[in-house]
Amino acid sequence: AQKVTQAQTEISVVEKEDVTLDCVYETRDTTYYLFWYKQPPSGELVFLIRRNSFDEQNEISGRYSWNFQKSTSSFNFTITASQVVDSAVYFCALGFLDTGNQFYFGTGTSLTVIP
Amino acid sequence: ETGVTQSPTHLIKTRGQQVTLRCSSQSGHNTVSWYQQALGQGPQFIFQYYREEENGRGNFPPRFSGLQFPNYSSELNVNALELDDSALYLCASSLDRSEGYTFGSGTRLTVV
Repeated sequence: AQKVTQAQTEISVVEKEDVTLDCVYETRDTTYYLFWYKQPPSGELVFLIRRNSFDEQNEISGRYSWNFQKSTSSFNFTITASQVVDSAVYFCALGFLDTGNQFYFGTGTSLTVIP
Repeated sequence: ETGVTQSPTHLIKTRGQQVTLRCSSQSGHNTVSWYQQALGQGPQFIFQYYREEENGRGNFPPRFSGLQFPNYSSELNVNALELDDSALYLCASSLDRSEGYTFGSGTRLTVV
């Protein structure tokens, strides 16, 4: 079965603090993709990153970084020096590109950055 | 044209009615997927269309159906609406099935 678990439902941090959003996934497939999306109050899902299952290199993009570990089936997302504009719901998703591109989303983590 | 546009943005329907939601894909995108997002939940895959044919379907009943047109715009039709159909419906388009997706802002459907 394919499943994504985001155990943190809500997180609040004070501006400039670092915060890590956890994502654990389950799949028996060897080829898959992992994604993070940001959903602001306006509703659209904003793409942040895509990694394939064969690339475990960590990635940094500005204040954002991602830690992919196949050994623990985790794909965690860290925001450094958080800002109020980072407040949103963040979704981790598991995707397969050979079976109709079905994405499996976690239930999301609502991040509030307090000024 | 850039971005994915969905219409209407909000809609209220009565139980038992039928509804059509529309999605205008990003220019040149031949793949479109529809998702249902209930309040407080992650999006759930409904189905995908690739070059006007259904290319995959999630665990949704047949009263959820879709169409994709030659200009790659698409529709999601839901018959015999139920209260549990109340959700945000998201459309996502892609240049090809192997590429990333661009999501629209969604249609908020309320069934009363």
